[in-house]
Amino acid sequence: KAGVTQTPRYLIKTRGQQVTLSCSPISGHRSVSWYQQTPGQGLQFLFEYFSETQRNKGNFPGRFSGRQFSNSRSEMNVSTLELGDSALYLCASSLQALADTGELFFGEGSRLTVL
Amino acid sequence: QKEVEQNSGPLSVPEGAIASLNCTYSDRGSQSFFWYRQYSGKSPELIMFIYSNGDKEDGRFTAQLNKASQYVSLLIRDSQPSDSATYLCAVISGSSNTGKLIFGQGTTLQVKP
Repeated sequence: KAGVTQTPRYLIKTRGQQVTLSCSPISGHRSVSWYQQTPGQGLQFLFEYFSETQRNKGNFPGRFSGRQFSNSRSEMNVSTLELGDSALYLCASSLQALADTGELFFGEGSRLTVL
Repeated sequence: QKEVEQNSGPLSVPEGAIASLNCTYSDRGSQSFFWYRQYSGKSPELIMFIYSNGDKEDGRFTAQLNKASQYVSLLIRDSQPSDSATYLCAVISGSSNTGKLIFGQGTTLQVKP
């Protein structure tokens, strides 16, 4: 059974640019959640999508957005990049929505560097 | 006050000892608690979950929950160098429709041979 796949694994952008990250969940999993991980802030919740609907959103500015497709694949987008957006972005999938389960399966992450 | 708090460590224990990792949470309504392990350069993986007050054992790992004190802990018996990692406490916070999984900062465990 394939795990959670995130692409790209590494990317370098400059301030002001935008970036799109992709996540393919485990087959059959309907919930995809996104997290930002930095040494200073730890693992912070960005948002969760379940059956193509955003169920919840963390405390991040509107520059951070996402969507989920009918096949459960998800993308997140960050516009007008800032230096502080440099981080590891982790996607996680689960069978049930986050409100009902904490059993997440994480992808390997997309490491974003903003110069 | 952070929603989920952990001592960042590092917590250093000798091989064979018991490692005790602690976590407190602020949402008194939280019902579900999880421990994830993250090796350096890797993604988090779930190792334990607990929903009821008391202890839950799985091999060398024991999760302990005290909802009255809003306290969760993870005990690792007979610690091995391979247990060296960051341990993340996570709590489902919020209502049944909008709950989200909140992680603590993580405690780094070092098991010395």
